[in-house]
Amino acid sequence: GAGVSQSPRYKVAKRGQDVALRCDPISGHVSLFWYQQALGQGPEFLTYFQNEAQLDKSGLPSDRFFAERPEGSVSTLKIQRTQQEDSAVYLCASRQGPEDTQYFGPGTRLTVL
Amino acid sequence: QKEVEQNSGPLSVPEGAIASLNCTYSDRGSQSFFWYRQYSGKSPELIMFIYSNGDKEDGRFTAQLNKASQYVSLLIRDSQPSDSATYLCAVNYNTDKLIFGTGTRLQVFP
Repeated sequence: GAGVSQSPRYKVAKRGQDVALRCDPISGHVSLFWYQQALGQGPEFLTYFQNEAQLDKSGLPSDRFFAERPEGSVSTLKIQRTQQEDSAVYLCASRQGPEDTQYFGPGTRLTVL
Repeated sequence: QKEVEQNSGPLSVPEGAIASLNCTYSDRGSQSFFWYRQYSGKSPELIMFIYSNGDKEDGRFTAQLNKASQYVSLLIRDSQPSDSATYLCAVNYNTDKLIFGTGTRLQVFP
């Protein structure tokens, strides 16, 4: 079966623009995670969904970041009024159940000019 | 304070040698531990996970966990140039999110 997919793979935005990043988890996976990975760093947790419920958004760096998963499948991470410090790779991961491991998508590389 | 610590490297080992990657964590309540491999420009790929003290072996890879010392390691036997990558240690703190270290870059030279 297909793995986690993300789109777009690359996004260049001008400072101040809004962007939307999409994640399609593995079919049947209940949990979905977003991470941000800056260059030379490990991924940092942003937010987590179980089905359509956003159970943890403690890692979102500011109120410019918003994530949703309205039907419990596809998720969108939206960043409003992008800043240069938002430049990073945004990784999505999904997991079937609490005892399962997280499987990562290819990521979206966001560059804010 | 960083919760998961790794030496950033690079760790250079000759082909055929054993590569030893180390990770320490700060929270004694940590329950599960993961090693991910990440090639440059790619996403993290799960190599091993371990929950209990001791060793867990899978092919050329062995994960070792010592909860008393808050230490987890990954050994790669018979290292190959294709093992050259960044190895990320990740810890689950009884929540669902993973806390990652900064990763150790491994270079295996022929």
